[in-house]
Amino acid sequence: DAGITQSPRHKVTETGTPVTLRCHQTENHRYMYWYRQDPGHGLRLIHYSYGVKDTDKGEVSDGYSVSRSKTEDFLLTLESATSSQTSVYFCAISLGTHADTQYFGPGTRLTVL
Amino acid sequence: TQLLEQSPQFLSIQEGENLTVYCNSSSVFSSLQWYRQEPGEGPVLLVTVVTGGEVKKLKRLTFQFGDARKDSSLHITAAQPGDTGLYLCAGPTEDSNYQLIWGAGTKLIIKP
Repeated sequence: DAGITQSPRHKVTETGTPVTLRCHQTENHRYMYWYRQDPGHGLRLIHYSYGVKDTDKGEVSDGYSVSRSKTEDFLLTLESATSSQTSVYFCAISLGTHADTQYFGPGTRLTVL
Repeated sequence: TQLLEQSPQFLSIQEGENLTVYCNSSSVFSSLQWYRQEPGEGPVLLVTVVTGGEVKKLKRLTFQFGDARKDSSLHITAAQPGDTGLYLCAGPTEDSNYQLIWGAGTKLIIKP
């Protein structure tokens, strides 16, 4: 198994509160990704990182921010959580080469009430 | 805009039956990947197909990449309950190799 952990694994929060999800890897992979997965939508990219302090937006980045201060850690922050952000969030890593495999963490189930 | 459409969205069959699921696009992809996701876990790569017309086999699973590299199929022979899961296809975006476009998946249930 790729060394990817996510914390917390489950979280329930209230609308308007800030939430930070953490992804930690032990593989020293350059690329890290945050996805959300919702029924009928598959995986949608929120933000990704291609190195320390190098990040870019994905297709559903509104309402989310990220930071990567160390190679091994990639944080996803919901500045002010909304019910539409209730989802399962997955972190993934890759080497970034052509046709490269993405390795996924176990996911965080977030419920915003 | 590149899109990957998977069909069927949901399939429930008896153990021992054969099945095929599809991943289609109007765009050409340099490669396509198939992942399987089990409940409560992240997706795990099954195979990557790169060459048009390529066929890859993984035990009872056969993957094919269309000649025009716009579609792919996954055929399972003699399905078993352990094959149950969400099957996702993904391909690299036109702009980069490190971002993937994902299909919505086929949820497969194999009943014993």
